[in-house]
Amino acid sequence: DAEITQSPRHKITETGRQVTLACHQTWNHNNMFWYRQDLGHGLRLIHYSYGVHDTNKGEVSDGYSVSRSNTEDLPLTLESAASSQTSVYFCASPKDSSGNTIYFGEGSWLTVV
Amino acid sequence: GENVEQHPSTLSVQEGDSAVIKCTYSDSASNYFPWYKQELGKGPQLIIDIRSNVGEKKDQRIAVTLNKTAKHFSLHITETQPEDSAVYFCAASILGAGSYQLTFGKGTKLSVIP
Repeated sequence: DAEITQSPRHKITETGRQVTLACHQTWNHNNMFWYRQDLGHGLRLIHYSYGVHDTNKGEVSDGYSVSRSNTEDLPLTLESAASSQTSVYFCASPKDSSGNTIYFGEGSWLTVV
Repeated sequence: GENVEQHPSTLSVQEGDSAVIKCTYSDSASNYFPWYKQELGKGPQLIIDIRSNVGEKKDQRIAVTLNKTAKHFSLHITETQPEDSAVYFCAASILGAGSYQLTFGKGTKLSVIP
């Protein structure tokens, strides 16, 4: 079955290092999203893309970047990791052509020490 | 932008009782309201959604109601079971405007006591 996968599932990195979280979906959908989840804040949108070479900033985009070179992948990069970026990161994408129903990956747990 | 408030933040119920989670939204243009269930260590899973042209939708023990005038919507779980224990998120979006972003509430941790 088509799906959305994230890697790595768990990562510990040091402050100041560059980190990239991968997201891959096999639904061939144009829309992809990155959220972070923190206690007391719920899910907040970081970046999103509506197609190849399209990227947009979300609510909490500072310190993050994305690139969209193909339909299947939307990697999230932390340019210089900070302790405030310790969080759980979720990638999401719709399955169907309407784009209305969004499904999430299993998450990437990132710890910045 | 859209703002979604969700209450309560925690909810404990006895097995077999009903659970109700409420959300309010600020943008009257929002017309799509999904609910997600998140189990420990997993990603959010869509459990039910409703569009603004419908006032209520049911799926077995789960139902969602929408009051557009008051700008609030609720999740109802009847005959709760221990496996219903999870964090539930409501969300709001505007369909048909070229934007597919969801704005989420902060979540409700539901505990079903056997």
